[in-house]
Amino acid sequence: DAKTTQPTSMDCAEGRAANLPCNHSTISGNEYVYWYRQIHSQGPQYIIHGLKNNETNEMASLIITEDRKSSTLILPHATLRDTAVYYCIVRVVAGGTSYGKLTFGQGTILTVHP
Amino acid sequence: DTEVTQTPKHLVMGMTNKKSLKCEQHMGHRAMYWYKQKAKKPPELMFVYSYEKLSINESVPSRFSPECPNSSLLNLHLHALQPEDSALYLCASSQDWREGSPDTQYFGPGTRLTVL
Repeated sequence: DAKTTQPTSMDCAEGRAANLPCNHSTISGNEYVYWYRQIHSQGPQYIIHGLKNNETNEMASLIITEDRKSSTLILPHATLRDTAVYYCIVRVVAGGTSYGKLTFGQGTILTVHP
Repeated sequence: DTEVTQTPKHLVMGMTNKKSLKCEQHMGHRAMYWYKQKAKKPPELMFVYSYEKLSINESVPSRFSPECPNSSLLNLHLHALQPEDSALYLCASSQDWREGSPDTQYFGPGTRLTVL
């Protein structure tokens, strides 16, 4: 799976949008971008995924650049409960020896302040 | 419902003990996973089961023995562990990864294991 690069940490004020960037310059055509988050001492929580189009669900929006080399996760109105480690993961979903694997990087620690 | 349950929540064991971790899902998922997470590190894949058969073993030491008795249950049997095996053990499940179809993994809350 392609490697991802994320900032180590970010801060955001409560009620403002949190924009979390992710670089994945070596992404292949059969690889999706997934976002998970992990609140302290809990299991990772699925947020959203996409291939090349922008995606939105009840939790967040995912913006993928046209060349697919980077993406941004947007939490539109951050709350204190959104404080967590956010993982950007690129994974193949069709063929290859890494089929089925989810490889976590170091992630971004997002701290939402009152 | 996207719930994966894990028991126990916490486990303390000695190096000579034998214990088991249990994971259960009732979402009809056919793939189940064990991950290990050391403090301040990201989760690392250990095992993957697909249709109750072991599909991936990430070179995990034999003191960890997975078992998938049926499509809803996944166990991890522990024997002769070392203190460095202390970690959060996470279970996840997903639909099988049919080619071209992304499968989202849903995680349980984990079992916090301490080996003395």
